Amino acid sequence: QKEVEQDPGPLSVPEGAIVSLNCTYSNSAFQYFMWYRQYSRKGPELLMYTYSSGNKEDGRFTAQVDKSSKYISLFIRDSQPSDSATYLCAMTRQAAGNKLTFGGGTRVLVKP
Amino acid sequence: GAVVSQHPSWVICKSGTSVKIECRSLDFQATTMFWYRQFPKQSLMLMATSNEGSKATYEQGVEKDKFLINHASLTLSTLTVTSAHPEDSSFYICSARVSTSHEQYFGPGTRLTVT
Repeated sequence: QKEVEQDPGPLSVPEGAIVSLNCTYSNSAFQYFMWYRQYSRKGPELLMYTYSSGNKEDGRFTAQVDKSSKYISLFIRDSQPSDSATYLCAMTRQAAGNKLTFGGGTRVLVKP
Repeated sequence: GAVVSQHPSWVICKSGTSVKIECRSLDFQATTMFWYRQFPKQSLMLMATSNEGSKATYEQGVEKDKFLINHASLTLSTLTVTSAHPEDSSFYICSARVSTSHEQYFGPGTRLTVT
């Protein structure tokens, strides 16, 4: 079993819909959680960074962390075709030298 | 957000030559930088962790004599692929950790093609 599980998709939604992404993890020692967006042949772009259970909102993006359930989510409101990309969850802990452990990525397609 | 640059963005070299890739944090200090390799439609594979002023720590299976990493300052890390071979052709990406937090920002990547 992988440390971080993420549905590979593809997840296809119509423009304007809410995109819902999630990851589950097995190591309760993870402290810091990130969501990245990666377009083809580009480096990942950091969307959200959280370190405590609860919600964090930034523009169209909302990140949720539930440490008791070892579950994190990313919601994208008012999705646009430009949001079509692969979304990666990542997490880390200080004791591991801050190395990121990634989910496998979810491919999202927003159709106009 | 913070910006990380990589240079070059694309390089073609002949088999047997060496190639140097630069990774710079443009608007923040990064005591730790990471180097990844990514194959098409696959996730990122961590190659090594680079700490400013000290030797890099390589992941299991990564040849440290082939992939030389230098982290000479708080804003610059370099990866040199020595004696490159066609199987080294890949997409190389660096990331930098903000010194005052645990956020990590990625560079745009460097596509290496060895002929």
